[in-house]
Amino acid sequence: ILNVEQSPQSLHVQEGDSTNFTCSFPSSNFYALHWYRWETAKSPEALFVMTLNGDEKKKGRISATLNTKEGYSYLYIKGSQPEDSATYLCAFGLGAGGTSYGKLTFGQGTILTVHP
Amino acid sequence: DTEVTQTPKHLVMGMTNKKSLKCEQHMGHRAMYWYKQKAKKPPELMFVYSYEKLSINESVPSRFSPECPNSSLLNLHLHALQPEDSALYLCASSRVLKNIQYFGAGTRLSVL
Repeated sequence: ILNVEQSPQSLHVQEGDSTNFTCSFPSSNFYALHWYRWETAKSPEALFVMTLNGDEKKKGRISATLNTKEGYSYLYIKGSQPEDSATYLCAFGLGAGGTSYGKLTFGQGTILTVHP
Repeated sequence: DTEVTQTPKHLVMGMTNKKSLKCEQHMGHRAMYWYKQKAKKPPELMFVYSYEKLSINESVPSRFSPECPNSSLLNLHLHALQPEDSALYLCASSRVLKNIQYFGAGTRLSVL
């Protein structure tokens, strides 16, 4: 059973604050780390897919880093806005072939609430 | 168009009913996925299709039967479900296996 952990479970911040969350995952058999944003009553939306150790990705005010050797990724949001309120999920893609090829294992998610 | 469409949005069924969930994408993706999500839990993979062939079955009970009749369509046939099968069922697609996945909004299923 793969262990993908996210922390914190939930976070309340004020508009304009910067924030970050953590995703930890197995450091062996790594293929990719995905980040998704899931707003209530909508589809999960892909933010980033990272495959290389040291990868840094950015999309507007949101950025992510990846450390595959120690098995963690950080997601940063700069100057949080109320519309950033959502559940942020990370998902680990297993690198080994065979029957698990293509499988993503999701973390529990971090629920972010940004107060105006 | 990055849309994955799932129908119906909501479904209530009895334990003796037979129903189907439908998922459609027109992005030319050749990998499609079914996930089950219970409240306050992460999505759990059920099935993966790659080039219309079943690639992964995560030991899902046979009362769930997937079907991929063509590259744009994925069905999940339901029969003799249990109340504990009540959940949000999400469909996703990707260009090929291991690529970024695009999700539908899900079908909220209640089994009475």
